[in-house]
Amino acid sequence: KQEVTQIPAALSVPEGENLVLNCSFTDSAIYNLQWFRQDPGKGLTSLLLIQSSQREQTSGRLNASLDKSSGRSTLYIAASQPGDSATYLCAVVTDSWGKLQFGAGTQVVVTP
Amino acid sequence: EAGVVQSPRYKIIEKKQPVAFWCNPISGHNTLYWYRQNLGQGPELLIRYENEEAVDDSQLPKDRFSAERLKGVDSTLKIQPAELGDSAVYLCASSLEGTGNEKLFFGSGTQLSVL
Repeated sequence: KQEVTQIPAALSVPEGENLVLNCSFTDSAIYNLQWFRQDPGKGLTSLLLIQSSQREQTSGRLNASLDKSSGRSTLYIAASQPGDSATYLCAVVTDSWGKLQFGAGTQVVVTP
Repeated sequence: EAGVVQSPRYKIIEKKQPVAFWCNPISGHNTLYWYRQNLGQGPELLIRYENEEAVDDSQLPKDRFSAERLKGVDSTLKIQPAELGDSAVYLCASSLEGTGNEKLFFGSGTQLSVL
């Protein structure tokens, strides 16, 4: 059974520092990996989607890498801002219909 | 363009009462998902629809949960009777075709508290 783990569970950094969020998964047979952002009391917003054949994906200050063989993905957020404070979840797609298996998330606080 | 719309945002009920959640996906999205998110955990899939057909309901507790997606657009998720352990956020999501290589769009969720 696929298990997705995110460490650390919580992270606090001063504004301007780069954020590094980790995600690991136990079964490398995935279709893709997705990173989401969740603000308190709100739904999830898709940030990046990395296909299983890709090594990384970039969008603005966000960069996500994928090492499928070792079952790891890393989300980098450059020059963090207080507005980046949220919970970040990673999820792997385990079938051709898009079924997502989520990690528990990393709660990020960026202090001014 | 409107996103995924869910209602109500919050619901407080006593155990053994029924409750229903409603979802309107993004226009044109054929695939609709219901997820449940417990506090401090990631969402877990309850049921997935392709148009009006439930194609994956393996994790839906069918003794008390039911769902429908009439006409392949709006969807309703029902719990009857509710139990204390059903307290969670119920999230609806949609995608264009459900191919597995496209982004999902989530609604804001319904936070259920069962007392």
